[in-house]
Amino acid sequence: DTAVSQTPKYLVTQMGNDKSIKCEQNLGHDTMYWYKQDSKKFLKIMFSYNNKELIINETVPNRFSPKSPDKAHLNLHINSLELGDSAVYFCASSSRDRSGLIYFGEGSWLTVV
Amino acid sequence: AQSVTQLGSHVSVSEGALVLLRCNYSSSVPPYLFWYVQYPNQGLQLLLKYTTGATLVKGINGFEAEFKKSETSFHLTKPSAHMSDAAEYFCAVISNFGNEKLTFGTGTRLTIIP
Repeated sequence: DTAVSQTPKYLVTQMGNDKSIKCEQNLGHDTMYWYKQDSKKFLKIMFSYNNKELIINETVPNRFSPKSPDKAHLNLHINSLELGDSAVYFCASSSRDRSGLIYFGEGSWLTVV
Repeated sequence: AQSVTQLGSHVSVSEGALVLLRCNYSSSVPPYLFWYVQYPNQGLQLLLKYTTGATLVKGINGFEAEFKKSETSFHLTKPSAHMSDAAEYFCAVISNFGNEKLTFGTGTRLTIIP
């Protein structure tokens, strides 16, 4: 069983569309994240949720809206997609055991055309 | 704020040669440090981590890294490179301890020369 799973893995869409990426973790973790990897491979955190509560919200356009229906799920909705949104989006999760371990999903490759 | 600097965006080594990927960190509190590997078109895989205790940590695939507080470094090494080691490598540090927000370096692409 995949610990952190996200769908879809590949997504090609037109500018102006609205799309969602879903993430689920079966590790019983309290904290979930979204990271963005741009075309230069640079990885940066976007959001962090702990028990459905938003903890970290980096400087991200408000076209990006995370939603956590329960602590095992953290979805990312993107409105009015722009070319610059093309990237790989990684979902991740961690526990509060202070091990420092963060488990990443396989990534979702978003291409906006 | 915490940060990570990876020296060398591209490193090439011959098969069988020593691999050395450099990482320096900046942190106002004792850091947790990580190395991740990303193979082409794949996700992130944890190679190894340092939290506390022994400063020489061993990871998967024969990699190891040494935490040197005096040098604020956490360089990744492997004695003998294999073709399958070709990938992108990321050093990362935990910041805002408690929320476990990972701050990544800019990555080093490792190429193995046959």
